[in-house]
This record gives sequence, structure tokens and C-alpha cells, in this order.
Amino acid sequence: SQQGEEDPQALSIQEGENATMNCSYKTSINNLQWYRQNSGRGLVHLILIRSNEREKHSGRLRVTLDTSKKSSSLLITASRAADTASYFCATDGSGAGSYQLTFGKGTKLSVIP
Amino acid sequence: DGGITQSPKYLFRKEGQNVTLSCEQNLNHDAMYWYRQDPGQGLRLIYYSQIVNDFQKGDIAEGYSVSREKKESFPLTVTSAQKNPTAFYLCASSTSGGGQPQHFGDGTRLSIL
Repeated sequence: SQQGEEDPQALSIQEGENATMNCSYKTSINNLQWYRQNSGRGLVHLILIRSNEREKHSGRLRVTLDTSKKSSSLLITASRAADTASYFCATDGSGAGSYQLTFGKGTKLSVIP
Repeated sequence: DGGITQSPKYLFRKEGQNVTLSCEQNLNHDAMYWYRQDPGQGLRLIYYSQIVNDFQKGDIAEGYSVSREKKESFPLTVTSAQKNPTAFYLCASSTSGGGQPQHFGDGTRLSIL
């Protein structure tokens, strides 16, 4: 099955800096989603971008999608200590079985106060 | 408040024992999902259900069973056939239609005694 792969695996930044995480995937998609997971908790949906969109914003989050390169990036601006978490991208299938989301292994972000 | 409730938070299994993880949602969602997460890994789909009385195997269904007798409930049984059950188990739900944002519970951590 197709899979999103996040890069880098871990990222450590100072509070106030921007954080950029990347996701690559292998086959065609209908949409791509980003989730956040705090340690020991469930995932929280952040943003969904459709295959016909190139950029989407939500508060301090900016997501881009390049379907020709099969890649997406998540930018968190003006990071805060509370942004410390793991971030996952998830892709669906463009054909049958698209109820299934395939998650990458995540980027672990540490924001140092 | 609407959400997903998983119980118990921690569970211990003895050799040869079946254990059942509970997942209840009051979001009126048609679709429900079970994922397994191993340390430092992404989520892998065990089973999903698009509607009551129907469910499909995900990527790692062997050693697990589910039922969907009520819209609100989607329990997961980890059978004795699952030889490596130690993991963090996450339940999620979504509205109908593929590729929808998923809402997650806070997980059950299963360990072997």
C-alpha cells in the first residue's frame, strides 16, 4: 500500500522559529492530511489539502502540495513550546478502498522555550 | 462534548488470553477504525467499518477480531493468535465517504504479563 514518509524524523528548534516538515508519497491521492500527536495521546487532525489544491492555511499552519513531485510540506510559523509533538501525514487512495488512510512514521518536533 | 472514548487506558494480557478493547463514539459517525502504533512508528490499520454490521480487514488484521453491532461502538478483540500484541491501540471515527478527517480516542496501551 502507498505510504507517506516524513522528513526529518526529528526536529529541534527555539521558540519563535519556524518549523518545516516534509512528506513524500508514492501513488496518486485524492487528498493528504496532517495530524499532530502529543506524547501518549491520540492524533488530532490539523488540515486536509485536496489533490487539486496547491496551498492551504489554517492559523499558524501552512500546507503545500506538489502532486507532480508527490510531496507535501507543513510549515508552523512562530512556534511555541505547546507545538512540541509528533506530526504525521496521511494519504488516501484515489480509487477503491479510499476509506483507508496510510500514515507515515512522523516527525518529532521539539520546541525549546 | 462529542468525542471518542477508549477504555481501558492500560491493559495487561496473559499468555493464551483474549482481551477486548472498548471504543465508543457519540459523534454520529458512520465509519470507525482501529489502528496499531508501535514505538517510533506510524499507524497501521487493523480493521475498519463503514457502516453498522459491516467491517473490512486492514493491513494487519491477523490475530484480531471486531464487531459493529451498534453505530456508536466498535470493540476490538486481541486474540491469543496475535503473538506480539504489545502496542498502543488507537480507535478513530469519521463521517462517511473516503478520505475524511478522522477523530481519534486517546488510546489503550496493551502489554504482556
